[in-house]
Amino acid sequence: EDQVTQSPEALRLQEGESSSLNCSYTVSGLRGLFWYRQDPGKGPEFLFTLYSAGEEKEKERLKATLTKKESFLHITAPKPEDSATYLCAVIRLGGSQGNLIFGKGTKLSVKP
Amino acid sequence: NAGVTQTPKFQVLKTGQSMTLQCAQDMNHEYMSWYRQDPGMGLRLIHYSVGAGITDQGEVPNGYNVSRSTTEDFPLRLLSAAPSQTSVYFCASSYLSGRRYNEQFFGPGTRLTVL
Repeated sequence: EDQVTQSPEALRLQEGESSSLNCSYTVSGLRGLFWYRQDPGKGPEFLFTLYSAGEEKEKERLKATLTKKESFLHITAPKPEDSATYLCAVIRLGGSQGNLIFGKGTKLSVKP
Repeated sequence: NAGVTQTPKFQVLKTGQSMTLQCAQDMNHEYMSWYRQDPGMGLRLIHYSVGAGITDQGEVPNGYNVSRSTTEDFPLRLLSAAPSQTSVYFCASSYLSGRRYNEQFFGPGTRLTVL
């Protein structure tokens, strides 16, 4: 069964304290892995797409990496405005672009 | 561009009532999807469409109907609302570009309560 598991469920950091969020997946042929950020009461906001193992992408304090079994979202020197829920989603082989499989998310809180 | 818009933002229904959640996008995207988000369950796909006139079921389709008569609109119908359909509903759209899968753009959501 295709599955996406995110850990930890919740993460509390002090401002400036770097850390990583994990997304592990078991799908029959990965065709794309997506990271989203979701603020309370809003829809998910796209961050990154990764397509193949070894690929990395960066945006400001965020860096996403991909292996054959998991993806990491590294947050360097986070600020309070980075507080949000981070969602990971995949498209599998044979899947449609309209059909994402989501993890349950990691809720990040960054304290000043 | 307004992106993906959803109406209403909030709705309260009684059990057995019917309603339609509206979703529209002005980006000329081929793909559109409906998800529901429940605490502890993450986002789950209800129905999706790969183009006008073409729809397919997702993970949790029971109790919901969709149709796609135009590229821009993808309404979600609840025929007889049940308390189990209390949730936040998100519509999303995506586009074709080469051979790679592209990201989905999400609307702001509709918060539905069924009493």
